[in-house]
Amino acid sequence: SQKIEQNSEALNIQEGKTATLTCNYTNYSPAYLQWYRQDPGRGPVFLLLIRENEKEKRKERLKVTFDTTLKQSLFHITASQPADSATYLCALFSGSARQLTFGSGTQLTVLP
Amino acid sequence: GAGVSQSPSNKVTEKGKDVELRCDPISGHTALYWYRQSLGQGLEFLIYFQGNSAPDKSGLPSDRFSAERTGGSVSTLTIQRTQQEDSAVYLCASSLGNSPGNEQFFGPGTRLTVL
Repeated sequence: SQKIEQNSEALNIQEGKTATLTCNYTNYSPAYLQWYRQDPGRGPVFLLLIRENEKEKRKERLKVTFDTTLKQSLFHITASQPADSATYLCALFSGSARQLTFGSGTQLTVLP
Repeated sequence: GAGVSQSPSNKVTEKGKDVELRCDPISGHTALYWYRQSLGQGLEFLIYFQGNSAPDKSGLPSDRFSAERTGGSVSTLTIQRTQQEDSAVYLCASSLGNSPGNEQFFGPGTRLTVL
């Protein structure tokens, strides 16, 4: 069956360090993968999109990698700040489904 | 406001009652999505509308759930004969189209509690 798995535990890191979040998937052939940020009581906010033929995408302190062989995406936040604390969701777009399928998210806490 | 809006923000109802949740997408966005998010869970796709095409209802969990989109803009999600397991946050999102490159813009959600 199709499955998307993100870091199973909440992730705590120290301010200034790099946070690395993992998104693994099985039985998908995603054409695109997106990352969203969700704060408590709010809807998700789009951060980055990476296509299947792209290895890496950057935006300011954010970096996303996409390895279709490993069926994995890594999401990095460099020089992390307490304001980066939130839940981060990965979402796959599979051409056959024509819709986004979301993982359950990883709750990141950056400690001052 | 330029964002997606949803109403009500909170809804408490009794088991067996019907509820209607409303979504106002961003003007000009042709695609509209409904998701459900239970506590600590990811987003569960319910239904999406794209322009004048027939909606994709593949995510609706039962026939108690229905949605419509009038005039290609406002959408209403209706849950009939609510059950306690329907309690969740219902999120609406819109995008310029259903191209995978188009980011989805989410509303703040409606928190539904079924007593």
